[in-house]
Amino acid sequence: SQTIHQWPATLVQPVGSPLSLECTVEGTSNPNLYWYRQAAGRGLQLLFYSVGIGQISSEVPQNLSASRPQDRQFILSSKKLLLSDSGFYLCAWSVRTGNADNEQFFGPGTRLTVL
Amino acid sequence: GNSVTQMEGPVTLSEEAFLTINCTYTATGYPSLFWYVQYPGEGLQLLLKATKADDKGSNKGFEATYRKETTSFHLEKGSVQVSDSAVYFCALSDRTGGFKTIFGAGTRLFVKA
Repeated sequence: SQTIHQWPATLVQPVGSPLSLECTVEGTSNPNLYWYRQAAGRGLQLLFYSVGIGQISSEVPQNLSASRPQDRQFILSSKKLLLSDSGFYLCAWSVRTGNADNEQFFGPGTRLTVL
Repeated sequence: GNSVTQMEGPVTLSEEAFLTINCTYTATGYPSLFWYVQYPGEGLQLLLKATKADDKGSNKGFEATYRKETTSFHLEKGSVQVSDSAVYFCALSDRTGGFKTIFGAGTRLFVKA
């Protein structure tokens, strides 16, 4: 069966510090991968998605970046965190097919607090 | 572009009450529609989906019918339980959107015993 892991589960970082959040998927190959941010009491904002190794699409210009060094690994990074980067970060994957009815499978999330 | 609008919360109900959470969408193609649920402190999980007009998705007592004429996908449950307290997200995906899923803002549901 497929599983998706995210770490760390919680993180408290000072403003201006770097960030690295990691997501890995097991039990599937060639998945589409996604990073979302959920601010407190808000909906989901798609940050990045990837359809293959090294292929990253950015949805919202900001001080975050994403990389996909391996097929089932997706990393979210920042060189200098801002207060506004606080939130709940969710990684998700979906099967890469030509169908639009594929559900997304979400990880447990990382709660980031920038002080 | 594609978009999803769902009713603002929070919605507070007593146990065994009837639940409706409204969702309408705008899409240029023929989208698939989804409801996801997020329990406190967790990621989202798929609750139900429908892939074409007049399809009814159902799971755990929840139902939603894909209404193309009204561009709606309202979530209903006949008798809610305390354990249904969560945030519910309506979402759509279609080919013209590059298979990205567009999520609504979410509706928080509180069920009181």
